[in-house]
Amino acid sequence: NAGVTQTPKFRILKIGQSMTLQCAQDMNHNYMYWYRQDPGMGLKLIYYSVGAGITDKGEVPNGYNVSRSTTEDFPLRLELAAPSQTSVYFCASSYSKTSYEQYFGPGTRLTVT
Amino acid sequence: EDQVTQSPEALRLQEGESSSLNCSYTVSGLRGLFWYRQDPGKGPEFLFTLYSAGEEKEKERLKATLTKKESFLHITAPKPEDSATYLCAVQAWVNYGGATNKLIFGTGTLLAVQP
Repeated sequence: NAGVTQTPKFRILKIGQSMTLQCAQDMNHNYMYWYRQDPGMGLKLIYYSVGAGITDKGEVPNGYNVSRSTTEDFPLRLELAAPSQTSVYFCASSYSKTSYEQYFGPGTRLTVT
Repeated sequence: EDQVTQSPEALRLQEGESSSLNCSYTVSGLRGLFWYRQDPGKGPEFLFTLYSAGEEKEKERLKATLTKKESFLHITAPKPEDSATYLCAVQAWVNYGGATNKLIFGTGTLLAVQP
């Protein structure tokens, strides 16, 4: 199993541009999450999904959108990028029926200038 | 408000010098407490889950313990390869008896083990 994969690894955006961060998992996990990690701030939840077609806001959802059309994929969309969205983004997944630990992807480092 | 505080922010140890990292938490009802290891430029790697006070888990040189207010990650005779940031997170029960599956993370302890 590849686990949780994310693309791209790095990206530089100009202010106002849009992009989609890709996330996929091959563990048949029902829950998926998007976090951002800023220096000294810890991981903050952006959006999460409990299954295909079901998503909900986390702690810091403004400026982002998500969709989940399949169990495997959970893309994060940034519209009108702003410097405040410069961060490292992590996707994670978990299987709620047997355990609650989340498994993380390698991250995407995004810079908005 | 649910909250997780980790201390110290940074810790430097000599190889073989045992120590402990602290994670104190405030949560309405604890469903689980999680420890992760994060290496520079990588995603957090799951280490342990603890569910109830008094529970202990071990993995190689690491042992995690849990009380009603805090958790400790004990590192025995550390090696340079144990250098990483260690993250603590809690998962809370919600009022209606379910669980959100959402984790609340601390800001981590940066551990450096010198040879």
